[in-house]
Amino acid sequence: NAGVTQTPKFQVLKTGQSMTLQCAQDMNHNSMYWYRQDPGMGLRLIYYSASEGTTDKGEVPNGYNVSRLNKREFSLRLESAAPSQTSVYFCASRKQGELAGNIQYFGAGTRLSVL
Amino acid sequence: ILNVEQSPQSLHVQEGDSTNFTCSFPSSNFYALHWYRWETAKSPEALFVMTLNGDEKKKGRISATLNTKEGYSYLYIKGSQPEDSATYLCAFTGNTPLVFGKGTRLSVIA
Repeated sequence: NAGVTQTPKFQVLKTGQSMTLQCAQDMNHNSMYWYRQDPGMGLRLIYYSASEGTTDKGEVPNGYNVSRLNKREFSLRLESAAPSQTSVYFCASRKQGELAGNIQYFGAGTRLSVL
Repeated sequence: ILNVEQSPQSLHVQEGDSTNFTCSFPSSNFYALHWYRWETAKSPEALFVMTLNGDEKKKGRISATLNTKEGYSYLYIKGSQPEDSATYLCAFTGNTPLVFGKGTRLSVIA
């Protein structure tokens, strides 16, 4: 019963390097989300995918790209990492389509440091 | 950008005390209000989802109420225990992605 799986758990990058954070869910959810969590800022939405084949910007999309590879997988890419992207990243999924009464499930998080 | 406010920002209580926190959200275009519990070094876990004005939900010693007309929800913890120490997040949706508040960080001192 894996739920939402994120990889890697930890990553250190140098400024300018690129990387992709992977996320997969096995609950057949149609909506998936990427958040970042910074001290004093709460959870801020980077990008989301309401359904397979669609992606939309959230509150803080600059510097990121996403791919909804299939219904299970939603990846987040940093093309040229910056120190301001040092954060903890959470992937989440939710079964949309039954009004808004469905809870959101979160992955364990990826702690990223950009030096 | 929708604004979800939580207060207080942090709270320290003695074991056995009862406590409550507030979540304020837009009262228009309301679909649902979520509460999540977030322990340090873990990921947020859902406590409640409330959709109707006047909803009251309860799970053990934790309960929540909802007023959609005035745009607020209260979370209550009765007889706080050290294991209740966590950050409590509320999140609003108006048929949009969830918008989270910054949370209330609760510390229960034994």
